[in-house]
Amino acid sequence: AQTVTQSQPEMSVQEAETVTLSCTYDTSESDYYLFWYKQPPSRQMILVIRQEAYKQQNATENRFSVNFQKAAKSFSLKISDSQLGDAAMYFCAYRSASSGGSNYKLTFGKGTLLTVNP
Amino acid sequence: EPEVTQTPSHQVTQMGQEVILRCVPISNHLYFYWYRQILGQKVEFLVSFYNNEISEKSEIFDDQFSVERPDGSNFTLKIRSTKLEDSAMYFCASSGWRERSDTQYFGPGTRLTVL
Repeated sequence: AQTVTQSQPEMSVQEAETVTLSCTYDTSESDYYLFWYKQPPSRQMILVIRQEAYKQQNATENRFSVNFQKAAKSFSLKISDSQLGDAAMYFCAYRSASSGGSNYKLTFGKGTLLTVNP
Repeated sequence: EPEVTQTPSHQVTQMGQEVILRCVPISNHLYFYWYRQILGQKVEFLVSFYNNEISEKSEIFDDQFSVERPDGSNFTLKIRSTKLEDSAMYFCASSGWRERSDTQYFGPGTRLTVL
């Protein structure tokens, strides 16, 4: 079974600064997807960014980028120019890419609570 | 932009009562999911649904739980006899037809409180 580990329960960053959230995962599969979801106080789950394991290029979405190290099974999220609205719980998630209609469930880490200080 | 919707936003029920949580997935999506999040804990997979049947379920999804797609738009989660430990946030998600590029989009969640 796949596991996802987020070793930082809490992180803080100054507004306009850069912060990196860590995520490692364990899998025996070679093809999969990785995601970062953001959960603000409203508790809605919002997709931040995703990465296909077969792509070597790191995904970017505006101020959000990832550092995907497949051999190390590491998938960190970098937030540049942090804004007050970035304050939230951030979850790393894994999804198998195997075919057949099953195994599409997301496996989540425990989350990292990000505080942005003005 | 299409989004997943869930009703109600908050449901309070007495232990032993049946509850039905409702979701309207994104139109033309084919895969549907329920997850739950107990306060302060991580999000856990409950069940996935495709082609009008359960494709995978977790050990949490016991006989007290059932899912249904009663029409072309709604996707429901029923808990037959709620327990105190069922108190949690329940999220519905859906994803599209392209297997290798699907992303699950989540609804805003239903907060279930069992008294």
